[in-house]
Amino acid sequence: GESVGLHLPTLSVQEGDNSIINCAYSNSASDYFIWYKQESGKGPQFIIDIRSNMDKRQGQRVTVLLNKTVKHLSLQIAATQPGDSAVYFCAEKGNNDMRFGAGTRLTVKP
Amino acid sequence: ETGVTQSPTHLIKTRGQQVTLRCSSQSGHNTVSWYQQALGQGPQFIFQYYREEENGRGNFPPRFSGLQFPNYSSELNVNALELDDSALYLCASSLAGALRDTQYFGPGTRLTVL
Repeated sequence: GESVGLHLPTLSVQEGDNSIINCAYSNSASDYFIWYKQESGKGPQFIIDIRSNMDKRQGQRVTVLLNKTVKHLSLQIAATQPGDSAVYFCAEKGNNDMRFGAGTRLTVKP
Repeated sequence: ETGVTQSPTHLIKTRGQQVTLRCSSQSGHNTVSWYQQALGQGPQFIFQYYREEENGRGNFPPRFSGLQFPNYSSELNVNALELDDSALYLCASSLAGALRDTQYFGPGTRLTVL
């Protein structure tokens, strides 16, 4: 079946560097994507979303890019901080559900 | 914090038992979705409730059932527990029909089946 997937299971970056987390999706009809951050022992926390009529959306220190041609989206975190260490999920919103990838664990080194 | 609460926080059951998990949605939200998250994996959609009726279901057997109450809170019931049901159970609330019907998650209930 169609799914949402992430390119890398782990990512380690130096504090202050920028982080890029990638995600691929297979359903070309998908029109709404969300990035979540999940810290240990907590539920997923909404970071930023994007609809298919946009290529880019920016939040506070985060940017999501959507490339519909290759069905790829990415989450960019500027000036990564220790508090950004977590597992990041991209999710594809369906009619009544959301499909999540397996997640990328981001580790920020001091 | 999202305003979505779940209880209990942790639960230990034995195989064959039944369990009920509870969720209170964020104020103003009318839709509740439940997810199962196994260790090291992303959440898997179980079902969604809107206006007290099931409004979508993932690939889970009938022994997973739910309820939504008039105040939009919800329960997840699992019968005949199996070892593989051990997971973090998440509920998420949203406002159906909103321009951005983003789902906001609670902290989850950690279920261990022995």
